[in-house]
Amino acid sequence: GQSLEQPSEVTAVEGAIVQINCTYQTSGFYGLSWYQQHDGGAPTFLSYNALDGLEETGRFSSFLSRSDSYGYLLLQELQMKDSASYFCAGLLGSSYKLIFGSGTRLLVRP
Amino acid sequence: NAGVTQTPKFRILKIGQSMTLQCAQDMNHNYMYWYRQDPGMGLKLIYYSVGAGITDKGEVPNGYNVSRSTTEDFPLRLELAAPSQTSVYFCASSTGQGTSSYNSPLHFGNGTRLTVT
Repeated sequence: GQSLEQPSEVTAVEGAIVQINCTYQTSGFYGLSWYQQHDGGAPTFLSYNALDGLEETGRFSSFLSRSDSYGYLLLQELQMKDSASYFCAGLLGSSYKLIFGSGTRLLVRP
Repeated sequence: NAGVTQTPKFRILKIGQSMTLQCAQDMNHNYMYWYRQDPGMGLKLIYYSVGAGITDKGEVPNGYNVSRSTTEDFPLRLELAAPSQTSVYFCASSTGQGTSSYNSPLHFGNGTRLTVT
């Protein structure tokens, strides 16, 4: 089947850099997207990678290696407000289904 | 723009009851999705639609039905509610242009929190 795997929790210090990994188990995904969700809120779009390499959007960067079925989200200059859950999502090209990973809960400590 | 609007925000159902979760978007998006999210878990795709009159099953469609008679509306129907359907339900939409829809961000509604007892 199709699945995206992420670590369940990551803890980091304010001002630091943290990387959240995502590995996927199918060859049918077209690109990888990342979403942020604060407790009690709705997911919001952060970034996407259609091709291999690094995409940068302010303090957030996302990387994709299709040959390794692997991607990551890099958060720099961490702020307390970055404490949230982060989800990778892959589009199944054959059906337009957007499948989400299990999510990584990021806790930023002072 | 209101974006994606979901109603109701909260609902408690008894086992065996039925209900419809409403979802409307005013962005003229072709693609619409229904997800459920159990506490501390990821989002599971229930149904999706790539345009009016076209719907398809996602990862967890059993116990649900959808229709898409207009571009704007994508209601989700629960028949014979069960405790396993207790969850937060999110509706989302995107522009979705062919296979480049991966670069079309999903816009989510605020969710409907459903409890079945």
